[in-house]
Amino acid sequence: SQKIEQNSEALNIQEGKTATLTCNYTNYSPAYLQWYRQDPGRGPVFLLLIRENEKEKRKERLKVTFDTTLKQSLFHITASQPADSATYLCAWRGTYKYIFGTGTRLKVLA
Amino acid sequence: DTAVSQTPKYLVTQMGNDKSIKCEQNLGHDTMYWYKQDSKKFLKIMFSYNNKELIINETVPNRFSPKSPDKAHLNLHINSLELGDSAVYFCASSLQGVNQPQHFGDGTRLSIL
Repeated sequence: SQKIEQNSEALNIQEGKTATLTCNYTNYSPAYLQWYRQDPGRGPVFLLLIRENEKEKRKERLKVTFDTTLKQSLFHITASQPADSATYLCAWRGTYKYIFGTGTRLKVLA
Repeated sequence: DTAVSQTPKYLVTQMGNDKSIKCEQNLGHDTMYWYKQDSKKFLKIMFSYNNKELIINETVPNRFSPKSPDKAHLNLHINSLELGDSAVYFCASSLQGVNQPQHFGDGTRLSIL
C-alpha cells in the first residue's frame, strides 16, 4: 500500500535561512502532492499543490519540487521567520482519500 | 464565517459512554472526511463521504458511525468509548477533483477517563 514518509520529525533553523523539508512516497507516483501547515491546536491549512508533471511550484517564499525518479518532494521556505514555526505535512491524493505524512515540526530560531 | 466548524472543541467522558461530534462546512463542497490524529500527530483518514454517500471506510471499528444528513454536514457518533479512542478528531471537506485541497476544522479533542 502507498506510504508517505517525512524523514525529519523536527528541524531547527536560524531565522533568515532556507528551510528544506522532505517528503518521500513509496509505490506509485501521485498525480498530485499537497503540502499543509498545522499550528498547535488547529487543523491543517493547505499551502501548495504540485502536479506530477511539474518540476517546481512557487508561492511567495514557498517553493515545492517534485522528482518522480527519486519519489520525492521537497518543500522550501526561503528567508524563514519565527512565524513560519509549525508542523508541515505532505499529502498524497488518491481516489476520495488522502494519505498524510507524519509531518516535520519546524522551529525557526530568532 | 468559519468554513469548516466542529463541535464540541473538547470532549471529556468516561469509558463506555456514547458521544457525538458534529461538523458543518459552508464552502459548497461535495466531499467530507473524518480523520483521527493520535498522540504522535499522525493524521489518519477514517471516513470519506461524497454527496452524502459513504465512499471510504478505513477499517474503523463499527463503534464509529458517521452520518451525513446533507452535503454540508457530516457527524460522527461513537459508541462504547474506549481508552484508545482518545485523540483529536478532524473534520475536513473538499471538492471532488484530485487536484482539490482539503479544508479542515480545528478539531475535537476527545479524552477518555
